[in-house]
Amino acid sequence: GDSVTQMEGPVTLSEEAFLTINCTYTATGYPSLFWYVQYPGEGLQLLLKATKADDKGSNKGFEATYRKETTSFHLEKGSVQVSDSAVYFCALIAYSGAGSYQLTFGKGTKLSVIP
Amino acid sequence: EPEVTQTPSHQVTQMGQEVILRCVPISNHLYFYWYRQILGQKVEFLVSFYNNEISEKSEIFDDQFSVERPDGSNFTLKIRSTKLEDSAMYFCASQHGAQRGTGELFFGEGSRLTVL
Repeated sequence: GDSVTQMEGPVTLSEEAFLTINCTYTATGYPSLFWYVQYPGEGLQLLLKATKADDKGSNKGFEATYRKETTSFHLEKGSVQVSDSAVYFCALIAYSGAGSYQLTFGKGTKLSVIP
Repeated sequence: EPEVTQTPSHQVTQMGQEVILRCVPISNHLYFYWYRQILGQKVEFLVSFYNNEISEKSEIFDDQFSVERPDGSNFTLKIRSTKLEDSAMYFCASQHGAQRGTGELFFGEGSRLTVL
């Protein structure tokens, strides 16, 4: 079945450091890929997405590129801020032909940014 | 900005007790979901709900679980007789009809269930 594997956390960075959170996937069909973020005390919210190979999703300074050859969708940000402290979830949705529409998530990676 | 709200934020219960987790989805959304995350594990799909019936459910969603939209605004998850392994964070989500199949869901902040 479909699955998502993301790097184990927690990740602790200093402000203005470069961030990479790795995510790889296995899926049948042609998945769309997502990063969701959960800030403290809030629900998961969509951060960015990519729907086909080589697409780059971007939002709030975060980027991720859909790499079909390596089945990856790594999240990057050039300079993190304290306000980026959150849990980040990689996810996919694949169309199986059976009308299946539920998201498949990874475990989440907790990021803490210290001043 | 509209948001999905969940209550309670944390519930502690004894094994074998019934639990009801409540969610208020965004008002013009048509599709509703429950997911859960056991500590340290992946976020897992439980069930999706549309037009007052279950549209899809996972293997986790056995006879101990049920969902209901009792009054047109609330969306509830009931666990009939809780087990220790039901301890998890439960997330409710909703989706606008036009976003069906896009993977773009709006989530609540979660209800943490602890079964003793």
